[in-house]
Amino acid sequence: KAGVTQTPRYLIKTRGQQVTLSCSPISGHRSVSWYQQTPGQGLQFLFEYFSETQRNKGNFPGRFSGRQFSNSRSEMNVSTLELGDSALYLCASRTGTVNTGELFFGEGSRLTVL
Amino acid sequence: TQLLEQSPQFLSIQEGENLTVYCNSSSVFSSLQWYRQEPGEGPVLLVTVVTGGEVKKLKRLTFQFGDARKDSSLHITAAQPGDTGLYLCAGEPRANSKLTFGKGITLSVRP
Repeated sequence: KAGVTQTPRYLIKTRGQQVTLSCSPISGHRSVSWYQQTPGQGLQFLFEYFSETQRNKGNFPGRFSGRQFSNSRSEMNVSTLELGDSALYLCASRTGTVNTGELFFGEGSRLTVL
Repeated sequence: TQLLEQSPQFLSIQEGENLTVYCNSSSVFSSLQWYRQEPGEGPVLLVTVVTGGEVKKLKRLTFQFGDARKDSSLHITAAQPGDTGLYLCAGEPRANSKLTFGKGITLSVRP
């Protein structure tokens, strides 16, 4: 079956702009999680959505937001971009209904903020 | 906040050598997972351990979950260049809670 698809793969923005990233999970998966990966901080959890509701949340400022649609597709938005937001943003899906569900990751969206 | 410390941060070894890397925390996890990430790709799950003391083998890779479910180790026998990558451990304090990742171990295996 098709894997997790993230778009766009690469994007360049300038400080102050906003960006929207998209994630299509594996068919049948109801949970979508978002992570920010940087060389210094590693993988940091942003939030998880399950059946259109935010189920878990990380420690990021309110500039980072997300949502999930009825077909389980998810988007995340970052407003008022800062240089430090440059990172690889990874989306991962899992069934969300079983214990220790394996996370399936997309290839990520690499954001560069100039 | 549950923190996972991975060590060593970087490791460069010759093909054929054995190695052990670690994932430690002061918190208890209901499950712990190991992932490997290659450049330009997302992490891929290697194994999930859920029972204290559990040992799982995946070909030349042996994973162990600590008795107290606070730490884990990964042992690779006769490392191959194909083992090169970033190894990440991730813990979940309870089912369907957020999965917290360590910063990872960058392994390079030289031919």
